[in-house]
Amino acid sequence: DQQVKQNSPSLSVQEGRISILNCDYTNSMFDYFLWYKKYPAEGPTFLISISSIKDKNEDGRFTVFLNKSAKHLSLHIVPSQPGDSAVYFCAASVNNDMRFGAGTRLTVKP
Amino acid sequence: DAGVIQSPRHEVTEMGQEVTLRCKPISGHNSLFWYRQTMMRGLELLIYFNNNVPIDDSGMPEDRFSAKMPNASFSTLKIQPSEPRDSAVYFCASSFSGIAEQYFGPGTRLTVT
Repeated sequence: DQQVKQNSPSLSVQEGRISILNCDYTNSMFDYFLWYKKYPAEGPTFLISISSIKDKNEDGRFTVFLNKSAKHLSLHIVPSQPGDSAVYFCAASVNNDMRFGAGTRLTVKP
Repeated sequence: DAGVIQSPRHEVTEMGQEVTLRCKPISGHNSLFWYRQTMMRGLELLIYFNNNVPIDDSGMPEDRFSAKMPNASFSTLKIQPSEPRDSAVYFCASSFSGIAEQYFGPGTRLTVT
């Protein structure tokens, strides 16, 4: 049972433009949401997070938006850079139980 | 800090053999997680420990899989007997209990022929 879904397996954007990665979840008990970035042959690394009491969190070029009524969150990267090319995993957590989406491969073209 | 350490980084074995994956969490972290990554299912949580005690093993595929955490600085994931469908990248992650952010190791790529 996939509780966290990333329906786009891949996304390609031009350098300097905005990248928008989407994520949906089904379990309304989740109270903390995270985005992880993964390069080949490395483990995922934490990128940004948001608590369920907020609807937006910003960190430099990265902003995460949470829409609890729609059970949807998104990650915006602006401006996108070639170094942002990686697989991005959405994750949702309650207590210590974290569930991940299948990932979206972002390619930023120079 | 060295981060989460996993060994081996690559493992190739024949069907039916026993496989043991090892993990050393970040010192001071008291929660440890084992994940499996496949193309089809992405990152799946297999089991997690809190203070060395298994809390949720509902993600363990079947009885062929077992995990132990004998102390705060070491955990193993064992597959016996291994099957080709177990081929995947296995990640270990650790965190402070109550803090959602997890730190991942580099993973072990397992190939079962």
